[in-house]
Amino acid sequence: ILNVEQSPQSLHVQEGDSTNFTCSFPSSNFYALHWYRWETAKSPEALFVMTLNGDEKKKGRISATLNTKEGYSYLYIKGSQPEDSATYLCAASGSARQLTFGSGTQLTVLP
Amino acid sequence: NAGVTQTPKFRVLKTGQSMTLLCAQDMNHEYMYWYRQDPGMGLRLIHYSVGEGTTAKGEVPDGYNVSRLKKQNFLLGLESAAPSQTSVYFCASTDGDSNQPQHFGDGTRLSIL
Repeated sequence: ILNVEQSPQSLHVQEGDSTNFTCSFPSSNFYALHWYRWETAKSPEALFVMTLNGDEKKKGRISATLNTKEGYSYLYIKGSQPEDSATYLCAASGSARQLTFGSGTQLTVLP
Repeated sequence: NAGVTQTPKFRVLKTGQSMTLLCAQDMNHEYMYWYRQDPGMGLRLIHYSVGEGTTAKGEVPDGYNVSRLKKQNFLLGLESAAPSQTSVYFCASTDGDSNQPQHFGDGTRLSIL
């Protein structure tokens, strides 16, 4: 079981602001890093899966980077919109079989 | 396009009662997972399965049992429910190992009185 930490726990930004969150995980025995978006009353939806040091992934205004040597990943949202309001979960695995989730960053985008 | 379907969506039990939660996926995925989600905590893995007929313990397996008799179904059982098992339960499946994204069901909200 890995220790996966996310910061900040919650975040309020104004519409149009860019923002980023952090996920940290043990750098030893790394296998994969996932980011999920979780809207209230819905189920978590996968954003990115990254496995290689230096990986960068992008989907629209959302992007993520991975540093496996120092054990962190950043999620960036450019020009936040109210519909980006959600909890963003990261999860890391040290093996092929299971993920350990962080407790999430709750983002609120104010119009 | 159903994806991952969980049954039931809500349930209230009394302490000591038993019940089974059903997870069904129509994507022919090999790996299936059961998580619980509690306030202030991330998703915690209860049990998982890497294929039909196989199961393994996750982070918080005590008080739960699972079965994977058919590839598309993964059942989570509570033999004697306790108030500490009040939670929201999520099932997920994936096409491969942990370098593949997980697909989640809508969750089952379970209250134990």
